[in-house]
Amino acid sequence: AQSVTQLDSHVSVSEGTPVLLRCNYSSSYSPSLFWYVQHPNKGLQLLLKYTSAATLVKGINGFEAEFKKSETSFHLTKPSAHMSDAAEYFCVVSDIYGNEKLTFGTGTRLTIIP
Amino acid sequence: DAGITQSPRYKITETGRQVTLMCHQTWSHSYMFWYRQDLGHGLRLIYYSAAADITDKGEVPDGYVVSRSKTENFPLTLESATRSQTSVYFCATTRTALDQPQHFGDGTRLSIL
Repeated sequence: AQSVTQLDSHVSVSEGTPVLLRCNYSSSYSPSLFWYVQHPNKGLQLLLKYTSAATLVKGINGFEAEFKKSETSFHLTKPSAHMSDAAEYFCVVSDIYGNEKLTFGTGTRLTIIP
Repeated sequence: DAGITQSPRYKITETGRQVTLMCHQTWSHSYMFWYRQDLGHGLRLIYYSAAADITDKGEVPDGYVVSRSKTENFPLTLESATRSQTSVYFCATTRTALDQPQHFGDGTRLSIL
């Protein structure tokens, strides 16, 4: 069985300050892990993915995430927040054998304070 | 390149009525998925399809019917809508089972009164 827990339902940061969105996972197999972003009234867009290569993964728009197996974590970070980063972020886990078995976290709403 | 098109974007209907949500893709991806998004639950898989004429249940299939007669279309039907099916519905595609990630449409917001 696999699961994912997003530790914060809502995060607020000031523009220009670092962003940290936390995600812990549980998986019986070697997991694939993703972060998606959802802007209002839009579908989900892939930010980055980890599939057992480098543990530090760089994504679009300056985001990156580090896979830490010992801590079962896959936290999303960005050095400097921009107003356009305000959105809902989803951490997703999948085992490599079942694309249909994507398990989504409940989401973290990121608010950027001007 | 249109990618994934969901229609309608918004729909209001009454309990007991049948409603069909459409999903059309222009990529010829093999896999297509239907999710529902509800507060506190993230996205949950309703049904998916590995190819034309091949469909399978996801996590929350009850009350829904799907078909896939053509690769590019994957309609989702609520045969007798209930208020608990009020949700935002997303269609997604991926080229193959191992070709992650999935690409999402913009969603259909469905309200059942």
